[in-house]
Amino acid sequence: DAGITQSPRHKVTETGTPVTLRCHQTENHRYMYWYRQDPGHGLRLIHYSYGVKDTDKGEVSDGYSVSRSKTEDFLLTLESATSSQTSVYFCAISESGPGELFFGEGSRLTVL
Amino acid sequence: KQEVTQIPAALSVPEGENLVLNCSFTDSAIYNLQWFRQDPGKGLTSLLLIQSSQREQTSGRLNASLDKSSGRSTLYIAASQPGDSATYLCAPGVGNQFYFGTGTSLTVIP
Repeated sequence: DAGITQSPRHKVTETGTPVTLRCHQTENHRYMYWYRQDPGHGLRLIHYSYGVKDTDKGEVSDGYSVSRSKTEDFLLTLESATSSQTSVYFCAISESGPGELFFGEGSRLTVL
Repeated sequence: KQEVTQIPAALSVPEGENLVLNCSFTDSAIYNLQWFRQDPGKGLTSLLLIQSSQREQTSGRLNASLDKSSGRSTLYIAASQPGDSATYLCAPGVGNQFYFGTGTSLTVIP
């Protein structure tokens, strides 16, 4: 299994609070992705990174920011969480874009 | 924008049957296409990756085909087993991104 760790795995928070999800990889892959998965929508790309400090927006980036200061870590931040951001968030990695994609176990976020 | 459709949305078969899952996509200018399985409450597991220059890819009881010009891929599962029960997703790769369908939920009945 690809070495991808997401934290926290579960989080409940209140509307308006900031939230940061972390993805850590031990594979030294260049590309890292954040997806959200919602019933009826499948997986949708939020942001991705193609190297340290190099990021780009995905399909549903509004309300989210990302940072990548080290190859192994990719952070997803919700500056002010809303109930519409209740979802399961998945981190994925690949050696190249779009190379074979490997996923973490997911982080379930509930915004009350 | 790439639109991905998977039919059927759900499928229930008796153990031992061979089955085909379908995936269609609107933009044929793909770099590759990947099939995944997802168990409830879990992440996605990569099954097969087909490059755009390939017609098919095989792994054990799984065979995936790709017809890029018509925007279609199929996943063939031979001799299905209860352990194959999961949701199967296809994802064509375009640029630096993969676009996902909503998946086919498969139940194999013992």
